[in-house]
Amino acid sequence: AQSVTQPDIHITVSEGASLELRCNYSYGATPYLFWYVQSPGQGLQLLLKYFSGDTLVQGIKGFEAEFNRSQSSFNLRKPSVHWSDAAEYFCAVGAGSARQLTFGSGTQLTVLP
Amino acid sequence: GAGVSQSPSNKVTEKGKDVELRCDPISGHTALYWYRQRLGQGLEFLIYFQGNSAPDKSGLPSDRFSAERTGESVSTLTIQRTQQEDSAVYLCASSSAAITTDTQYFGPGTRLTVL
Repeated sequence: AQSVTQPDIHITVSEGASLELRCNYSYGATPYLFWYVQSPGQGLQLLLKYFSGDTLVQGIKGFEAEFNRSQSSFNLRKPSVHWSDAAEYFCAVGAGSARQLTFGSGTQLTVLP
Repeated sequence: GAGVSQSPSNKVTEKGKDVELRCDPISGHTALYWYRQRLGQGLEFLIYFQGNSAPDKSGLPSDRFSAERTGESVSTLTIQRTQQEDSAVYLCASSSAAITTDTQYFGPGTRLTVL
C-alpha cells in the first residue's frame, strides 16, 4: 500500500522569502502525486498534480513541485511567499487501481510580516 | 459554478447518538468520496461511490459507519452510536470520474464533536 510522509509539521517563513515543503512517498510503481492547500474554514484546493512527463510541475498561485523518483519525493516550492499563503498544505498520492487518495499529515505554514 | 457543499458545517452530539452528514457533489460528477480528518492529522479515506456501481467501503472504520448515495446526487454519511473518537472533520469530495488522475474537488467539511 502507498504512504506519504510530510516530515515538517510546522514551517515559518517571512513574507517574500522562498519556500520548500517536503513530501516523501512510498509506492512500488509510478505514483500520481498531488498537493492540496487548506485554508481555515475552507475545503481543500488543488495546487498541482503530477502524473507523468516533465518532472517539474507548475501549479496555481505561483507554486511548483518537482517529482524526484530516486528520492521518492515531490517537494513543493514557491520563490516568494505572500501572507495569504499561510495555510495547511497536504501532499497526497494516488496509485494503481485505488481510486482514493492517501494523504500526508500536513504541514502548517505560518508567514511572518 | 457551485462547488461541493456539505451540511451541517458543525455538529455537536452526545455520545451514543446517531448523526447524519450530508454532501451535495458538483453537478455531473459521477464519483463521490468521503474522508475523515482528525485533529492534526491527514485525511483518511472512508468510502467512495462511482455511478451505480457498488461502493468501495474499504475505509470505513467500523460497522457503525455507513453511507448512501442515490444515483449521482446527494450522499449521506451516517454514524450510529457515536463515540468520542469519532470527533473529526468529515470531508466530501467529488470528481467527474473515479479515476486516480481526475481531480477531486472538496467541500468545506462538517466538524463533528462528540461529547
